[in-house]
Amino acid sequence: DQQVKQNSPSLSVQEGRISILNCDYTNSMFDYFLWYKKYPAEGPTFLISISSIKDKNEDGRFTVFLNKSAKHLSLHIVPSQPGDSAVYFCAASGANAGKSTFGDGTTLTVKP
Amino acid sequence: EPEVTQTPSHQVTQMGQEVILRCVPISNHLYFYWYRQILGQKVEFLVSFYNNEISEKSEIFDDQFSVERPDGSNFTLKIRSTKLEDSAMYFCASSTRGGLSEKLFFGSGTQLSVL
Repeated sequence: DQQVKQNSPSLSVQEGRISILNCDYTNSMFDYFLWYKKYPAEGPTFLISISSIKDKNEDGRFTVFLNKSAKHLSLHIVPSQPGDSAVYFCAASGANAGKSTFGDGTTLTVKP
Repeated sequence: EPEVTQTPSHQVTQMGQEVILRCVPISNHLYFYWYRQILGQKVEFLVSFYNNEISEKSEIFDDQFSVERPDGSNFTLKIRSTKLEDSAMYFCASSTRGGLSEKLFFGSGTQLSVL
């Protein structure tokens, strides 16, 4: 039962353009959504999060959008930079915030 | 910047052996977690730990697994009798609080290989 799904295993964009990473979830009990970035040989690093009571959260070049009715969220990175190349995980949590359910990840490649 | 440290980075063991994976969480953090990622699969929650006891655990975290905070700085995951399917990257994480908005700080992981 995949409660959190990232349907695109990979995404390639040109430097300076927008990267849009998508995530869908099935469990309506999720209250909080997070995006983590992961480089090879490192652990996931927190990027940005959003509460279910909001539909948008912005932090610099990163914006997360939440559509609760569609059970869909997306991460926008603009402008994309080569250093953004990494695996991006969407994660969702309910009452126990530390117990996050992760998606499969999307490998983003930003080409110079 | 403070970070979560994990040792060893790689651990190779024989099936049936006990292994202990070690973690030093960020010093002022109060909540501790173990996650794992089997090659090609998702990052999966194993257990959360607060105030010297398990606060939640997943179905994966069966009787073969245990966690401990033996002193004020270390947080360990023990697997009593390893199986081939325990081979994975194990991530330790910590957070300042357990609230809904709390982000986790992850270590770089221990790659466990069970032969």
